[in-house]
Amino acid sequence: GEDVEQSLFLSVREGDSSVINCTYTDSSSTYLYWYKQEPGAGLQLLTYIFSNMDMKQDQRLTVLLNKKDKHLSLRIADTQTGDSAIYFCAERRGNNAGNMLTFGGGTRLMVKP
Amino acid sequence: GAVVSQHPSRVICKSGTSVKIECRSLDFQATTMFWYRQFPKKSLMLMATSNEGSKATYEQGVEKDKFLINHASLTLSTLTVTSAHPEDSSFYICSAISGAYEQYFGPGTRLTVT
Repeated sequence: GEDVEQSLFLSVREGDSSVINCTYTDSSSTYLYWYKQEPGAGLQLLTYIFSNMDMKQDQRLTVLLNKKDKHLSLRIADTQTGDSAIYFCAERRGNNAGNMLTFGGGTRLMVKP
Repeated sequence: GAVVSQHPSRVICKSGTSVKIECRSLDFQATTMFWYRQFPKKSLMLMATSNEGSKATYEQGVEKDKFLINHASLTLSTLTVTSAHPEDSSFYICSAISGAYEQYFGPGTRLTVT
């Protein structure tokens, strides 16, 4: 099947690091994405990683990709209350930007002050 | 970054009426736009892929006569929900391609059918 799975919920304290995990099944995935969705809003692209990369860091965000295990993670350093949202991972197969994305079910991150 | 807008952001309509939702790429030309539907606490479900100047490609299980998609220009795609029913109530999100790697998403339209 073509599944992307995430845990439903994560709760952390402000200032701690958050790690959101994602697993996927399709080994032909070429790009993997992390999106953030705040209540009542659309999706905001946070970052993406090519399948030939192991790690990508962008300010407080670190993406790790274990292609062998088909495991993707998003680490948010120094988590803030404004980071509370739903985070979706998504995979895209092929090199054409028109290829569809397959989304995970989303992880709701709650940051406690 | 690339900006995608949707209009309206929220609409309430009576059962049996039709509703049109617009998706615009504001600062880039989008040859391809996507329409998604999101149920409460669920992920996004791709409804259709819309290419400028051609018919939309619908995903399996999506009724093309009910969800009419028109991509008349490189910056505008519209989704019309025809003869809306309460079960069509949902959050509809569009996205557009910018460059080779990224889809940019609109803010979404919440449709409530009474």
